Amino acid sequence: GENVEQHPSTLSVQEGDSAVIKCTYSDSASNYFPWYKQELGKRPQLIIDIRSNVGEKKDQRIAVTLNKTAKHFSLHITETQPEDSAVYFCAATSGGYQKVTFGIGTKLQVIP
Amino acid sequence: DVKVTQSSRYLVKRTGEKVFLECVQDMDHENMFWYRQDPGLGLRLIYFSYDVKMKEKGDIPEGYSVSREKKERFSLILESASTNQTSMYLCASRGGWGNSPLHFGNGTRLTVT
Repeated sequence: GENVEQHPSTLSVQEGDSAVIKCTYSDSASNYFPWYKQELGKRPQLIIDIRSNVGEKKDQRIAVTLNKTAKHFSLHITETQPEDSAVYFCAATSGGYQKVTFGIGTKLQVIP
Repeated sequence: DVKVTQSSRYLVKRTGEKVFLECVQDMDHENMFWYRQDPGLGLRLIYFSYDVKMKEKGDIPEGYSVSREKKERFSLILESASTNQTSMYLCASRGGWGNSPLHFGNGTRLTVT
């Protein structure tokens, strides 16, 4: 089955700096890669996603890149703000039933 | 806006008890999922369902079963609760097929003593 590896597990950045979180996946048939943000005590919520026929997608300060050949995708947050502090999960969708497999999460701390 | 509701926010049960966790979604979604969330392990898939009465095992199904008698409701059952099942349980639903995001409930914090 699919295996998703995510790193780093924790990340501290100064406010205004950029943050990058990286994920790799094992199933070359995976075709959809969402990113979720989970604030403390709250449910995970989608922040951005990318499909396998696209190499890059941007939404204001957030961007995701996908390298299908290398089987890795990354989340980029620019001009970080304290409200970006949260746990971020990457995921990959694969298989006949489109199962969703998550990485272990990255705890991002933005220091004011 | 999609609403996924889990019946309990906090639950405390004793070892050996049969436990039911309920999840209801209001958007007529075909797919529903149960994950458990543990520190350092991320979100691990227990079971999912792609249609009424249909279910598939996830990555950690041992000790769990599920029921989906109606499209809007997906239940997770712990046949005989054990202390290693103490965890946060998250239900999610998805409309359409694989290229759609999951919508999560608020989670149920289960403690087994």
